[in-house]
This record gives sequence, structure tokens and C-alpha cells, in this order.
Amino acid sequence: GESVGLHLPTLSVQEGDNSIINCAYSNSASDYFIWYKQESGKGPQFIIDIRSNMDKRQGQRVTVLLNKTVKHLSLQIAATQPGDSAVYFCAEKLGTSYGKLTFGQGTILTVHP
Amino acid sequence: KAGVTQTPRYLIKTRGQQVTLSCSPISGHRSVSWYQQTPGQGLQFLFEYFSETQRNKGNFPGRFSGRQFSNSRSEMNVSTLELGDSALYLCASSLGLGGDLNTEAFFGQGTRLTVV
Repeated sequence: GESVGLHLPTLSVQEGDNSIINCAYSNSASDYFIWYKQESGKGPQFIIDIRSNMDKRQGQRVTVLLNKTVKHLSLQIAATQPGDSAVYFCAEKLGTSYGKLTFGQGTILTVHP
Repeated sequence: KAGVTQTPRYLIKTRGQQVTLSCSPISGHRSVSWYQQTPGQGLQFLFEYFSETQRNKGNFPGRFSGRQFSNSRSEMNVSTLELGDSALYLCASSLGLGGDLNTEAFFGQGTRLTVV
């Protein structure tokens, strides 16, 4: 039968606003979490990662927060720019699973000038 | 340094045919993983190769197979194509060092396969 397309969550913000993208992950045993950005026609691009023994990590304009109690991950983008418009995916990895990444469904971020 | 290179970028095949996709990882990277991306299922892990050995496999039928060569280049093959195999196939390379969680995976631009 027909497959039902994923209805990706969307977030629309104005240029200069801060953006928060959320992700619920599936495996409480996951050791490592990554945020990827995917622009149209391109492969996912690494943004920032965090180990399970941390609850916060900051990069340039981005911050990742991890709440293991509720299996929740968030990506905060400061001063969002039109070039940040893309689909954002969280991914999780088990330490024993080598390179296997399990991806979330993704969130579409649109930044209006 | 050069990124992950996937060839071809676009491919159109007929149901029942087979297809081979190629991935050249970043120089020095020994791990290559393959993912299927569709609007219906999102990004799903197919398999991973490290030093010519498959060390992880996702939940895909046996029609999907892969291999890795001694220079770390990898190919994936899909036999007896079905309409539902239409997808973006992504390859990711990483150092693949065992026990190191922070082995960032770099993705190629993907091969867009359309089955008609």
C-alpha cells in the first residue's frame, strides 16, 4: 500500500531570533548524540555533538542540551540567519554499535529575512 | 581535503533491475556507512563496513548488499528493484576507530535513485 509521508515539524522564525529545535530520542542506552543540518540537495552536515555524560555543550552560535531523564535533546541556534534554513536531524548512537546512527524524523527550520 | 564522493548523483532504473552505487570516503577514513532516506521513513541505516568487513546491518531485505574494498571505497547493490526502493542513498565515512564515540561521520551528497 501507499506509505504515509512523515509530517515533519516545522519552525518559522525571523532573522535574528533564537531558535530551539527539539528531539525525543528512543534508546536510553545511547551514548552519543549528534545534530545534523541538511540543506536541499545535500547530505547531512555535522553541527554539534554531545556525550551522554554531559547535559550541555556549546559551539559557535549553537548549544545542545541533553535531558536523559525524559530522553530529550534540543538544539538552540542563536541569532538565526537565513542560511540556517534547512532540515535539522538529531541522531543517537550506542557505543557498541560502531558507526550506526539512528536518526530522528527531522524538523524544518525556515528563517525569514 | 576532499569530501565523501558518491557516484552517480542520479539514477533511473526499471523495476526488476539491479543497481550499484559507489562511495569514496575521505582519505584515511576506514568506516563507511550507508543510509536510505525517503519521505515516508526518513533516514534509515542500511549497513556499515570497516576494513572490508560488514560490522553492522540495519533491517533491510537481503536484496540490499554492500562491500568495501581495500582502499576503503564501498559499493552497495540493490537487486530486483521495487518502486519502494526509490530514495536518496547516502554514504557516510568516519575514522571508525573502535571505542571512540566521537568519530564524526561525514556524509556525501547522495545518489538519488528513481525506480520506474
